Amino acid sequence: DAKTTQPPSMDCAEGRAANLPCNHSTISGNEYVYWYRQIHSQGPQYIIHGLKNNETNEMASLIITEDRKSSTLILPHATLRDTAVYYCIVRVIQGAQKLVFGQGTRLTINP
Amino acid sequence: GAVVSQHPSRVICKSGTSVKIECRSLDFQATTMFWYRQFPKQSLMLMATSNEGSKATYEQGVEKDKFLINHASLTLSTLTVTSAHPEDSSFYICRGGTGAQSPREAFFGQGTRLTVV
Repeated sequence: DAKTTQPPSMDCAEGRAANLPCNHSTISGNEYVYWYRQIHSQGPQYIIHGLKNNETNEMASLIITEDRKSSTLILPHATLRDTAVYYCIVRVIQGAQKLVFGQGTRLTINP
Repeated sequence: GAVVSQHPSRVICKSGTSVKIECRSLDFQATTMFWYRQFPKQSLMLMATSNEGSKATYEQGVEKDKFLINHASLTLSTLTVTSAHPEDSSFYICRGGTGAQSPREAFFGQGTRLTVV
């Protein structure tokens, strides 16, 4: 799987949009960009994924650059409960494939 | 959605004893189970991958005789930490895989906090 690079930490004010960047310059054509988050002492939670088009669901939006070498996860109205470590992973789309986690971004939402 | 139930959520054991962690897939057949370990303020590290009915594949540096994995059915996989030591204290998380293309999958267990005293 392609390696990803994320900032180690970010802060965001409650109610504002949180924009989390991820670089994946070596991504292959058949690899998707996945985002997960992990709230303290819990298992990782799926957020969103995409291939090349921008995606939006009830949790977040995913913006992927045209060259697919980077992406941004957007939490439109961050709440205190969004405080977590966010992981960006690139992988082929196959249910039984192992996920390799990087260090992620520790996002702190401040009141 | 697909759910993996992991038990126990917390366990404290004495040094030298063994601890078993269970992961059950509640509404899907987990043909593959991944086991991760996470130390404080670190990322998840894959320990091993098991396929139902066959031996687990361990990542480099993980002792297979210490971390026994059993995946005897499509709905149950267990990780046994044998002769536990304080350095085995960690957060253990399982993840089930279906083997089919499943873009949404996030079949992680809730995690087990193991403390060895």
